[in-house]
This record gives sequence, C-alpha cells and structure tokens, in this order.
Amino acid sequence: GQSLEQPSEVTAVEGAIVQINCTYQTSGFYGLSWYQQHDGGAPTFLSYNALDGLEETGRFSSFLSRSDSYGYLLLQELQMKDSASYFCAVLVRDDKIIFGKGTRLHILP
Amino acid sequence: DAGVIQSPRHEVTEMGQEVTLRCKPISGHNSLFWYRQTMMRGLELLIYFNNNVPIDDSGMPEDRFSAKMPNASFSTLKIQPSEPRDSAVYFCASRARGSSYNEQFFGPGTRLTVL
Repeated sequence: GQSLEQPSEVTAVEGAIVQINCTYQTSGFYGLSWYQQHDGGAPTFLSYNALDGLEETGRFSSFLSRSDSYGYLLLQELQMKDSASYFCAVLVRDDKIIFGKGTRLHILP
Repeated sequence: DAGVIQSPRHEVTEMGQEVTLRCKPISGHNSLFWYRQTMMRGLELLIYFNNNVPIDDSGMPEDRFSAKMPNASFSTLKIQPSEPRDSAVYFCASRARGSSYNEQFFGPGTRLTVL
C-alpha cells in the first residue's frame, strides 16, 4: 500500500520556528510537495522537492531525504496568518499525487 | 487568469437525488484531478485525467460516482443516487503536465450536503 504520515497537530508561538515532518511509503516515488490550506479555503502549493536537500522560499523551506523516505516543511518567523493546515503530497507513477491527512498548525500570540 | 472554476459552490440535496459538480480547469493545463475532503478521511483523490482521458479512477468510492471530461475545458463529477455519507467538500484541480514543480492549482471547492 501507499501511505504518508504527518502529525495531526502542531502548536508554536508567533515569531518562532516550526518543523512539520512527513514520512512516506509509496511505490514509484518522484517527489514530495507541500500544500497550505486555510479554513474554508482550497489547498495552495508551497514547494516541491525532487532531489535530496533543502529548498528555501522566503520564510518557508522544504527538505527531502529519499533514502529515509522523509521530508519536512520548516516555517520561520511564524506569523498568525500561517495558522492553517499543511499537507505533504507524494508524486508517484502516472502523474498520480497522494496527499497526507494534513497537519493543523496552531500559532499562539 | 481566472483560475480553476467550480460550480456550484454549495449544494444541499436530499438522499437519492442526482448531484452534478462542474469544473473548468485553467486554460492550457493538461491534467485534471477530482478530490474529496472530509475530516475523517482527509483529501482523497477520486479520479484524474490527462489530456481528457481518465488515467486512474481507483479512488472513486463506488458505481454511484462517475466523472467525465468531454473536452479540455470542462469536467463533471456525478453522484447518483446521492447518500448522506457523500457529504464533503469536492475539489477540482488542474496542472500543466510536465511542469517542473508539479504544482496543482485547486478550485474553490463545492461543499455538498446530502440530507
């Protein structure tokens, strides 16, 4: 089977740094994506890693280790607007994308 | 660019009725995906199309669900007959096939309530 595991909830303080982990077990792995979804909204794309290493985009960074079937999303200088759900998603064969169940990020003032 | 367009945004219907959800992908995108989102099951891929051809419908729950993509600018997801357990938010997403970041663009979703 194919599965993705990520924590259901994470809490952090405004201005701090938070890391959301994702482990996966899939066949035909091509890359790992991250999406953000605010309550009542649609998922929006944040990042994609096809190769091992860290990709940085502003306050957000994403990491991938293919050998460990592991990745994470790092959010720095947290702002209240970052309160949302974050989904990891794996691209497998035939252009299919499988989403994790999401991590709800709570930010405290 | 108007983004992915879905209609209706909200649908309330009674058990046993037919429901049709509609999606217009972003112009030029070759791939289209239908997802269902619930608290219990998260974001589930129902079916996706490449160049209007269904590639994988293994996520379609049962025969009551069907999807079509008659042309590159329109797709429908039909549920007949609908049941209360079909209540969820249904998202349509499109992607430019071959994009290096494999970014999917989601529509605003259709919130379906089956009474």
